[in-house]
Amino acid sequence: DTEVTQTPKHLVMGMTNKKSLKCEQHMGHRAMYWYKQKAKKPPELMFVYSYEKLSINESVPSRFSPECPNSSLLNLHLHALQPEDSALYLCASSQPGRAPGGDEQFFGPGTRLTVL
Amino acid sequence: GESVGLHLPTLSVQEGDNSIINCAYSNSASDYFIWYKQESGKGPQFIIDIRSNMDKRQGQRVTVLLNKTVKHLSLQIAATQPGDSAVYFCAENDPPGTYKYIFGTGTRLKVLA
Repeated sequence: DTEVTQTPKHLVMGMTNKKSLKCEQHMGHRAMYWYKQKAKKPPELMFVYSYEKLSINESVPSRFSPECPNSSLLNLHLHALQPEDSALYLCASSQPGRAPGGDEQFFGPGTRLTVL
Repeated sequence: GESVGLHLPTLSVQEGDNSIINCAYSNSASDYFIWYKQESGKGPQFIIDIRSNMDKRQGQRVTVLLNKTVKHLSLQIAATQPGDSAVYFCAENDPPGTYKYIFGTGTRLKVLA
């Protein structure tokens, strides 16, 4: 299984809603990533989990809350989002070598989020 | 040819011709680079990678060239096919040895029949 799956594919939410994005991989990868991608722009890193511990937080607003319940799952909890948070949210995973970096990332198809 | 403006830079090539997509990176200490292909409605897909101890690496119909002197990467696609139409991103591992990857702005490749 060389696939990263993400659910839901599409999500529409109001600014007062609480929702969660889910990501799953069964490749045994121990690094998992959340990226945000606006239209016609490159992906921007949000969070990285390494061995189920938060390794990188790119100064993301607290209305985005990541969670890594186990080595196969990654969640992104959303609360009180703004319309400008509408974007494609991509999950990725990689298997770290002896040191971080230098490892191929596998991306999921993304969740298209619209905040009204 | 190439066009840069309010939209993604676009490269239009005839089917069967070779394509060259360019990318400038920022950190001269970066030692690992990846090219991704992103089709509409999909996540980025790994094409090929290269480490800084190499100048060139070849895959199936694709070649990546690395010029560390001018901090420049290129992706060459041989005999471009309609299925190659997509947005192509380069990414650098920056800072090196971390989990951080910085993506380039992207180039849209249009293959003309």
